[in-house]
Amino acid sequence: GQQLNQSPQSMFIQEGEDVSMNCTSSSIFNTWLWYKQEPGEGPVLLIALYKAGELTSNGRLTAQFGITRKDSFLNISASIPSDVGIYFCAGQNTDKLIFGTGTRLQVFP
Amino acid sequence: EAQVTQNPRYLITVTGKKLTVTCSQNMNHEYMSWYRQDPGLGLRQIYYSMNVEVTDKGDVPEGYKVSRKEKRNFPLILESPSPNQTSLYFCASSVAGGSGANVLTFGAGSRLTVL
Repeated sequence: GQQLNQSPQSMFIQEGEDVSMNCTSSSIFNTWLWYKQEPGEGPVLLIALYKAGELTSNGRLTAQFGITRKDSFLNISASIPSDVGIYFCAGQNTDKLIFGTGTRLQVFP
Repeated sequence: EAQVTQNPRYLITVTGKKLTVTCSQNMNHEYMSWYRQDPGLGLRQIYYSMNVEVTDKGDVPEGYKVSRKEKRNFPLILESPSPNQTSLYFCASSVAGGSGANVLTFGAGSRLTVL
């Protein structure tokens, strides 16, 4: 089955730094979603994007729906220790939802 | 509290011993789905259900069965588990499976080890 490629695979950063990650696909999607999974928990939705070129913020998080509809980006500003987790992108068309391979984020104080 | 509940959370079993992972949601969601999470592979869909008595294969259905006899429950059955089914499993549900409505609520996960 299709999977979305996320990069980087993992990140080790210092508290206060900004973080950027992206997700690419060979297919076009109508919706892009970003989820966060904290240790020992299931993924939780952070941001949903419905339109090509859309830029949406949720606190310190900002995500963009790529113009080509084949990619999406997530930025986290001024990272804090509780940002630790695995971030998954997901692309959606009709009732099919495809997840990315995940970006593991570690934040050191 | 609105939630998706999976049991067991942790299980170690042996090859060939049938097991069931239960999943229950209390949000009256129509859509339910099972995923497995493996390092470097992200979340891959095993089976999903658009409504009661309707189930469909996802991307990696081999070795798994599901049933949807009631709206709230969607058990995952491994008839004859094998070591390659060692993984972290997530059940998820949403209001509906249509475009724009698929905001999934995930359970906390079930870590399965098959020896």
